[in-house]
Amino acid sequence: AQTVTQSQPEMSVQEAETVTLSCTYDTSENNYYLFWYKQPPSRQMILVIRQEAYKQQNATENRFSVNFQKAAKSFSLKISDSQLGDTAMYFCAFMRERANSKLTFGKGITLSVRP
Amino acid sequence: EADIYQTPRYLVIGTGKKITLECSQTMGHDKMYWYQQDPGMELHLIHYSYGVNSTEKGDLSSESTVSRIRTEHFPLTLESARPSHTSQYLCASSELGAGAGNTIYFGEGSWLTVV
Repeated sequence: AQTVTQSQPEMSVQEAETVTLSCTYDTSENNYYLFWYKQPPSRQMILVIRQEAYKQQNATENRFSVNFQKAAKSFSLKISDSQLGDTAMYFCAFMRERANSKLTFGKGITLSVRP
Repeated sequence: EADIYQTPRYLVIGTGKKITLECSQTMGHDKMYWYQQDPGMELHLIHYSYGVNSTEKGDLSSESTVSRIRTEHFPLTLESARPSHTSQYLCASSELGAGAGNTIYFGEGSWLTVV
């Protein structure tokens, strides 16, 4: 079975600064996908960024980037130039590359951006 | 934004009442999911479906039931609501095959309070 661990329950960052959210996972699979989802207060869960395990290059989406360390089974999210709108819960998630696979979520981390 | 819709968004009902939470998506996705999430907590998969007439229990046991008569529609029903069912219920969908279609899209959630 796959597990996803987010050991930090909460983090806080000053507006315009950079913050890194940690995530580790455990799997025996070689091909899989990793995701970071954002859930703002009382709003829809949205995909922030995704990473295919077979790609060595770290995914980047504007101010969001990941540090994917396959051997260490680590998948951290870096948010640069933090904005007040980044305040949300962030969930790390894992999915095997199979048609019947399900998304396994971590427990999430609450990020607060201070003005 | 993803084309997946949930109704009602907020509902307060009495103990013992029957309730159906509606979920519809217009993306033609074969896979659909229901997650249960208490405020500020992790998501738990309670039901999923691979397509019409396919339904499976998720990782968290739930007294709710689901049906999948049409591709776009995946309602969740509680026959007799109890206060322990108070939670947020998130519907989601994704394409069936592995590869680029593995991104899961979420609805805005249905907040259920049973009094």
